[in-house]
Amino acid sequence: GAGVSQSPSNKVTEKGKDVELRCDPISGHTALYWYRQRLGQGLEFLIYFQGNSAPDKSGLPSDRFSAERTGESVSTLTIQRTQQEDSAVYLCASSSSGTSYNEQFFGPGTRLTVL
Amino acid sequence: AQKVTQAQTEISVVEKEDVTLDCVYETRDTTYYLFWYKQPPSGELVFLIRRNSFDEQNEISGRYSWNFQKSTSSFNFTITASQVVDSAVYFCALSEQGAQKLVFGQGTRLTINP
Repeated sequence: GAGVSQSPSNKVTEKGKDVELRCDPISGHTALYWYRQRLGQGLEFLIYFQGNSAPDKSGLPSDRFSAERTGESVSTLTIQRTQQEDSAVYLCASSSSGTSYNEQFFGPGTRLTVL
Repeated sequence: AQKVTQAQTEISVVEKEDVTLDCVYETRDTTYYLFWYKQPPSGELVFLIRRNSFDEQNEISGRYSWNFQKSTSSFNFTITASQVVDSAVYFCALSEQGAQKLVFGQGTRLTINP
């Protein structure tokens, strides 16, 4: 079946502009995660959605970052007034449930470059 | 607090050599899960293995093996008879019981030279 998909694959924007990144999880997966990977670094957790529960936003680095998810479908990560330090690969993952032991399936990522 | 340390930033070996990637973790929980992921040049993370804190048995899968030692808080990964296709960045990660997020190490870039 189809894996996690993300769009766009690459995004170049100017400092100060807003960007929207999209994630389509695996069908039937109730849990969805966003991570950020800066060049040469590990992944940093940003936000987690589980079904209709309130999302865990504890990893969002500033109030310029927000994310939405409608039900158990598509999620959008929005970065407002982008800064150069926001340049990174943004990875989305989904899992069949939100338990700690479940394997997370990752998408190919969106590479964001802020000029 | 949770933390994962992969002290080896880069490793380069010649094909057919054995190589071990180190992973040391910190957690206060007694129930937790450890993972290894592979990130090939294409960028997409590939799940390799999951271990829970109550299962210290070593695992072998083909040329891959994992050594989990709670006494040293380590979960090391060995590739036997390495191949060029093993070249990738490898991440070790931890999740605690009740916490859904994964905490990743910085990754080890493994290069296998022909």
